[in-house]
Amino acid sequence: EPEVTQTPSHQVTQMGQEVILRCVPISNHLYFYWYRQILGQKVEFLVSFYNNEISEKSEIFDDQFSVERPDGSNFTLKIRSTKLEDSAMYFCASSDLGQGGEQYFGPGTRLTVT
Amino acid sequence: AQTVTQSQPEMSVQEAETVTLSCTYDTSESDYYLFWYKQPPSRQMILVIRQEAYKQQNATENRFSVNFQKAAKSFSLKISDSQLGDAAMYFCAYIRGAQKLVFGQGTRLTINP
Repeated sequence: EPEVTQTPSHQVTQMGQEVILRCVPISNHLYFYWYRQILGQKVEFLVSFYNNEISEKSEIFDDQFSVERPDGSNFTLKIRSTKLEDSAMYFCASSDLGQGGEQYFGPGTRLTVT
Repeated sequence: AQTVTQSQPEMSVQEAETVTLSCTYDTSESDYYLFWYKQPPSRQMILVIRQEAYKQQNATENRFSVNFQKAAKSFSLKISDSQLGDAAMYFCAYIRGAQKLVFGQGTRLTINP
């Protein structure tokens, strides 16, 4: 069964460093998403991406964040200068139908900023 | 803005018994979708069940079923014959169109053997 994959599974970085989280969505999916979950809290939307551009972003997704689909298969989330409060689980998701279609989640990347 | 509320931070149930997790939501839209996701300790998000708002019939998936009350904006999850593997965080979520999923705060379900 096709699945969304994410690398790395765990990333430790120092405050102020840049990190890139990688995702490979399901191959025929067109809609891509990043979500964040701070430990013990609910899952929060960061950004959605369709047709090679951002379709919606939350207030969390400030200028420190960017997304890219560099090669037609990978979907990346970059944080330019990490802060302690960026420590969280980051989930990538993809969907084919858009309209209420199930979003398939990857296993997540645990980001720890020290 | 749409909001999703899960008022039960924790629930517990005896193995083989039935448990119901509550969820309410707020929206002015008439066409949307509701989901329950399960998050085990591995933190993977797993879809449990999906409900289209235009369908009056409640969705069922094996031991999992929902009670969807559109007028009351209520969407509860019933787990029958609870199993130890059902222990997890459960998140209720709302989506309209291709937009973002809006999640509730989650309910931690414990299964007592």
